[in-house]
Parts: sequence; C-alpha cells; structure tokens
Amino acid sequence: AQRVTQPEKLLSVFKGAPVELKCNYSYSGSPELFWYVQYSRQRLQLLLRHISRESIKGFTADLNKGETSFHLKKPFAQEEDSAMYYCAPGGSQGNLIFGKGTKLSVKP
Amino acid sequence: DADVTQTPRNRITKTGKRIMLECSQTKGHDRMYWYRQDPGLGLRLIYYSFDVKDINKGEISDGYSVSRQAQAKFSLSLESAIPNQTALYFCATKEGPSTGELFFGEGSRLTVL
Repeated sequence: AQRVTQPEKLLSVFKGAPVELKCNYSYSGSPELFWYVQYSRQRLQLLLRHISRESIKGFTADLNKGETSFHLKKPFAQEEDSAMYYCAPGGSQGNLIFGKGTKLSVKP
Repeated sequence: DADVTQTPRNRITKTGKRIMLECSQTKGHDRMYWYRQDPGLGLRLIYYSFDVKDINKGEISDGYSVSRQAQAKFSLSLESAIPNQTALYFCATKEGPSTGELFFGEGSRLTVL
C-alpha cells in the first residue's frame, strides 16, 4: 500500500533557525512528490515539487530514493513560514496521497 | 482569475439532515476531487472524478455521495449527516492524467450537531 509519513505533528523553531520537516513514503515505482502549504485561514497551495527542483520561499526538498524520503528544508526560518505543511506523493491514477501534516511554528 | 469556489463556506446542521457542498471551477480542468481535513489526520480523499461520466470512490467514501453535473461542477452530499462528519471539506481540481498540481478551493467547514 502507498503510504506517506510525516513523523512530527508540531515543529517549533525560533526565527533564523534552520528547519527540516520530515517526510517518508512507501510507493511502488517512481512517484512524483510534492509539498503543499496551508497558511492560517487560507487554502492549500503548492509549495514545491521534486521534479522542478526549484526553491520556493527559501525552501528546498531533496528526493532520497534510497531512504524513500523527501524532507523539506529551509536554512533560516521566518515568522511568516508558520503554517501547516503536507507532504504528498503521487498515488495511483495520478491522485495525491497526503501525509497527516506538520504544523510549523516559528517564534520571534 | 480562474478559480475553485466552494459553497457554503460554513454550515452548521443537525444529525440526520441532508447536506450538499458545492464546488465550481473556472480552470477548465477535467479532474475534480473532494477531500476531508481533520486535525491530526491530514487530508483524506472522499471521491474523485476524471470527467462527467467517471466518478470514483476514494479512501473514505462511506456516508458520502457525489454528483458531477458538468465539467465545472462537482457536488458532495451527506445524505444523513452524523457528528463524526464534522470537518473541513476541500474541493480540488487538476488538469490532466499526470500527477500534476492540485488547485484547492477555500474549504467548507461543516459542523454536525
């Protein structure tokens, strides 16, 4: 079965500290992987996808096929990064399977 | 701007009532989805539709039904609402068969008393 695990429900860091949100997946084949973000009172939106290999708002994510991980990283967290983050590997028929999410809280 | 719109945004109802949540999109996407968001459980897929004639059950379809009235409209119904269906419901669209990006509506918060 295809699964995605985000082990931290809540991650709290201070402004300027590095942040890493973990994501592990089990998936047959070569999945396409995404990170979605939900800011307070807003809709979910795409943060980044592994295929594009781009950095959005200072975040990057590297696909490690050996460890089946797709951790999201940012070297210096900002208060505006406080949000709910969801890892989402592509499931069967192109449907996305979402993790349970990690709430990032960046304190001043 | 092309968008995904959900109505109502908030609804409080009683156990046993029938509720319909509506989703419309102006993105011209074929694929539409209904997800449910619960604290600590993330987003779970309820139903999805690849086109007007193709509707599929997701992970948690029991207690729900859907209707794809047109390419642009996808409604979610709770025939007889129960309290554990209290949640935030999201509609989403996607352009085509590849995984691609999902575009979400703003969500419909449903409370079943």
